[in-house]
Amino acid sequence: DTEVTQTPKHLVMGMTNKKSLKCEQHMGHRAMYWYKQKAKKPPELMFVYSYEKLSINESVPSRFSPECPNSSLLNLHLHALQPEDSALYLCASSPANRGFSTDTQYFGPGTRLTVL
Amino acid sequence: GESVGLHLPTLSVQEGDNSIINCAYSNSASDYFIWYKQESGKGPQFIIDIRSNMDKRQGQRVTVLLNKTVKHLSLQIAATQPGDSAVYFCAENYYGGSQGNLIFGKGTKLSVKP
Repeated sequence: DTEVTQTPKHLVMGMTNKKSLKCEQHMGHRAMYWYKQKAKKPPELMFVYSYEKLSINESVPSRFSPECPNSSLLNLHLHALQPEDSALYLCASSPANRGFSTDTQYFGPGTRLTVL
Repeated sequence: GESVGLHLPTLSVQEGDNSIINCAYSNSASDYFIWYKQESGKGPQFIIDIRSNMDKRQGQRVTVLLNKTVKHLSLQIAATQPGDSAVYFCAENYYGGSQGNLIFGKGTKLSVKP
């Protein structure tokens, strides 16, 4: 199984709503990632969890709050988002072997988020 | 700024022809490179990778070439098919960089004409 799954596929929310994005993998990977991707742009790293601990936060606004309940699950909690936060949110995972230097990341299908 | 870049973005090829997608990187310390394919509405899909101690790696219909002298990476797709139409991203990681921080290039859109 080399699959990373994400739910929901699409999400529309207002600026006052609270919602969560979910990501799951069963490959035994110990690193998980959230990326944001705008149209016609490459993915931009938001957060990295390594062995269930937050290891990288790329200066992401506090209205995005990640959570890693266990090694297979990764959540992204959303609150008070802005219309400019509309994007494709991608989750990825990697084995986290050998200090990440040659660590291959595998991506899920993404959640298409629209903030009204 | 980005240390991996692609000259933008569209490559149009005839079905059955070979495709070559290029990527330049600026960090000489980069030691691992990945090519991803992203179809419309989907997440990036791993195609092939290469470590810096290699200059060529082949997969099924795909070949990645690495030229460390000029810091250049290319993806060759043999006998291009309509299903190859997508945006292709190169990405780099380097030992000593932020753990897990893949740096993506801008992407090239490949269009295959039947």
